[in-house]
Amino acid sequence: ETGVTQTPRHLVMGMTNKKSLKCEQHLGHNAMYWYKQSAKKPLELMFVYNFKEQTENNSVPSRFSPECPNSSHLFLHLHTLQPEDSALYLCASSQESGSGRPNEQFFGPGTRLTVL
Amino acid sequence: AQKVTQAQTEISVVEKEDVTLDCVYETRDTTYYLFWYKQPPSGELVFLIRRNSFDEQNEISGRYSWNFQKSTSSFNFTITASQVVDSAVYFCALSEARKGFQKLVFGTGTRLLVSP
Repeated sequence: ETGVTQTPRHLVMGMTNKKSLKCEQHLGHNAMYWYKQSAKKPLELMFVYNFKEQTENNSVPSRFSPECPNSSHLFLHLHTLQPEDSALYLCASSQESGSGRPNEQFFGPGTRLTVL
Repeated sequence: AQKVTQAQTEISVVEKEDVTLDCVYETRDTTYYLFWYKQPPSGELVFLIRRNSFDEQNEISGRYSWNFQKSTSSFNFTITASQVVDSAVYFCALSEARKGFQKLVFGTGTRLLVSP
């Protein structure tokens, strides 16, 4: 496989369920990102990992819990979600240097999450 | 705070028409980067272009061209002779210059519908 893959592609869960979203990048990148895309709203950056270290938590509620076990895998653990958390969750990766010049991000196809 | 505004929510054109997607940004940084991404129906965002704040040269890539004007804080995107395959949501984004990772601020996107 190439690029950035995400599983599952679709997920329906109740508010009391616990589920996890998985992202895998096959590009050898050192930074990975979780975004939330809701209707009529801009993409919102949720978390950033660089070399497996979380470098950004964009004021995300604790019912979302990220995990980055290695530089190729990123998880988003979900528990006691609310209906307003229904959205498309996108994972991305990039190869960042220490220069400050950002490189393009490569995105996965997303997981369409519906919370009932 | 950084902000990206894409005032056009949806644009409909007929094939072979030219179309311009507007993007206006706000930032206090002197060094920043602007991006355009395309999101086809499959979901994953696809990188189109990156421009840094010190390079105001317009760029052309095939049927795509970009007009960066710092004086008006705009980074507009034009598709010449549009095709049905251009139908997608297009996002403009702004990034600070940071080391190790990037924090993209996205606009709300412009949905382009190209009909035969």
